[in-house]
Amino acid sequence: EAGVAQSPRYKIIEKRQSVAFWCNPISGHATLYWYQQILGQGPKLLIQFQNNGVVDDSQLPKDRFSAERLKGVDSTLKIQPAKLEDSAVYLCASSLDLGSRRSGYTFGSGTRLTVV
Amino acid sequence: EDKVVQSPLSLVVHEGDTVTLNCSYEVTNFRSLLWYKQEKKAPTFLFMLTSSGIEKKSGRLSSILDKKELFSILNITATQTGDSAVYLCAPLYNTDKLIFGTGTRLQVFP
Repeated sequence: EAGVAQSPRYKIIEKRQSVAFWCNPISGHATLYWYQQILGQGPKLLIQFQNNGVVDDSQLPKDRFSAERLKGVDSTLKIQPAKLEDSAVYLCASSLDLGSRRSGYTFGSGTRLTVV
Repeated sequence: EDKVVQSPLSLVVHEGDTVTLNCSYEVTNFRSLLWYKQEKKAPTFLFMLTSSGIEKKSGRLSSILDKKELFSILNITATQTGDSAVYLCAPLYNTDKLIFGTGTRLQVFP
């Protein structure tokens, strides 16, 4: 099966600019996650979707970050305006359903964002 | 506050050595514990542990969970240079959220 697809792979922007990341989960996976991983730290959950509804966005900095999952498939994560501390790898993951116990979540290769 | 602590933070060994990675956690409504290996960007799934005391094995890797003492260990025997990576521990809890530890960076030298 095809994996979780993310683009772009790398992005360099100046602070105060905006940026968008795209994720296409594994076909049929209802749950989609966006994680932020700052260098030297573990991934931190930003937002979790179940189909096209938000399950948890408690750690999403909503003053500058937004995410959507139209039609319950692809998702985009946007940052506007970006700050230096947003430099990180942004990982998208998907799972078959809430409470799937057959395997862990599948992660995409991530987008490395550098804000200068 | 939900938290995950992994130790050691970093480990340097020679090929053939055996290593033990530790993970302790405190989360509400714990469901399972997952281990991931992260070599470049994407974490890859290793194990999901749900029951205490049942060791899961995959080749030279094995893991066990203690739900009473709230910890898990990941063992790697006869390490190889290809085992060099960051190993992440992640409890699954509540509405199927994963909370990750900082990870243990393992470096295996020939």
